[in-house]
Amino acid sequence: KQEVTQIPAALSVPEGENLVLNCSFTDSAIYNLQWFRQDPGKGLTSLLLIQSSQREQTSGRLNASLDKSSGRSTLYIAASQPGDSATYLCAVLTSGTYKYIFGTGTRLKVLA
Amino acid sequence: GAGVSQTPSNKVTEKGKYVELRCDPISGHTALYWYRQSLGQGPEFLIYFQGTGAADDSGLPNDRFFAVRPEGSVSTLKIQRTERGDSAVYLCASSLTGAGTRDEQFFGPGTRLTVL
Repeated sequence: KQEVTQIPAALSVPEGENLVLNCSFTDSAIYNLQWFRQDPGKGLTSLLLIQSSQREQTSGRLNASLDKSSGRSTLYIAASQPGDSATYLCAVLTSGTYKYIFGTGTRLKVLA
Repeated sequence: GAGVSQTPSNKVTEKGKYVELRCDPISGHTALYWYRQSLGQGPEFLIYFQGTGAADDSGLPNDRFFAVRPEGSVSTLKIQRTERGDSAVYLCASSLTGAGTRDEQFFGPGTRLTVL
């Protein structure tokens, strides 16, 4: 049974810092892994989708890496801004299934 | 094109009442999913439709929950005799083809259900 864990649960950093959010999963047979952003009281905004054959994806200040063999993904945020404050969720689509398994998220606060 | 839409965005109801939550998937997507997100948790799978049929409803918590997708497009999640524990954000997602593929699931904004 796939389990997804995100560390840390919460993170507070000063503006301008580079930071890394971690996601680990127990079953390495995956189709893809997706990082989402969720603002309070809002739905999910997809940030980056990494297919199982890929090692990383980049979008602007965001870079997500995937290491299937170790069951890990990281989301790197460069030069953080207060507008980056949100909860970041990692979700894994296990091979042979169709339902995403989500982690419990990392609540990020970037201080001005 | 338009993304996944959900209505209402917020629903407040009293314990014991019946509610319906609606999801409009991206046009042409055959697969549709419902998830539920409780406070402080990640979303959890409820049910998956392939076309008009529920291919997997194993995530529905009990028989008070039911979902339909009669024409293979819009879906309605129905909750009978609501309980305070049903309070959560209900998320809908759709994908082009569904099971056994590398489809990306596109999520709607969710419906926040509050049961008083």
